Amino acid sequence: SQQGEEDPQALSIQEGENATMNCSYKTSINNLQWYRQNSGRGLVHLILIRSNEREKHSGRLRVTLDTSKKSSSLLITASRAADTASYFCATVRLSNDMRFGAGTRLTVKP
Amino acid sequence: NAGVTQTPKFRVLKTGQSMTLLCAQDMNHEYMYWYRQDPGMGLRLIHYSVGEGTTAKGEVPDGYNVSRLKKQNFLLGLESAAPSQTSVYFCASSYTTSGENEQFFGPGTRLTVL
Repeated sequence: SQQGEEDPQALSIQEGENATMNCSYKTSINNLQWYRQNSGRGLVHLILIRSNEREKHSGRLRVTLDTSKKSSSLLITASRAADTASYFCATVRLSNDMRFGAGTRLTVKP
Repeated sequence: NAGVTQTPKFRVLKTGQSMTLLCAQDMNHEYMYWYRQDPGMGLRLIHYSVGEGTTAKGEVPDGYNVSRLKKQNFLLGLESAAPSQTSVYFCASSYTTSGENEQFFGPGTRLTVL
């Protein structure tokens, strides 16, 4: 069963706008990871945030984690057409028990 | 470095046929994983390995077998393919447990079972 659920399922924005994707989960976690998948390709790791962290940044990416609400968000600032992809959150409860959500499909229009 | 590679990229099977998917990584990672990805769903873990000679069941192991005879290779076998196994299969590896490190993914194998 999926642990994380992304919202929205699909998001379409103009280049230069910010994109926000949310992930909710049901049980306590050790960490949460975000991955990107371009069409027809494998997943690429973006950010790992641990349960004792609240926010992390990586370039144009900002991830927040609220363990009291069991939710995380991924913000992509100043989006580019190349950011068009599906984005997945993955929650890790125990070692090797990583569960992926169904993903958010982001389209950035040039 | 090639990273994680998968063979083959595409395959069509008839119900009841068998096949083996090969995953290879050149990063000296201890941990390797097999996932399947179905439309509208996230990846689901089939089997994983924490080191050469070891394997363990994941979330959806039924109908699949795996072997890790060499550290760099992780094989996924389908003994008697069923249409429900039509999916895209991804292999991944990580230096240590996924609880501590990112996973590196291969490009996927698209399998159709008729």
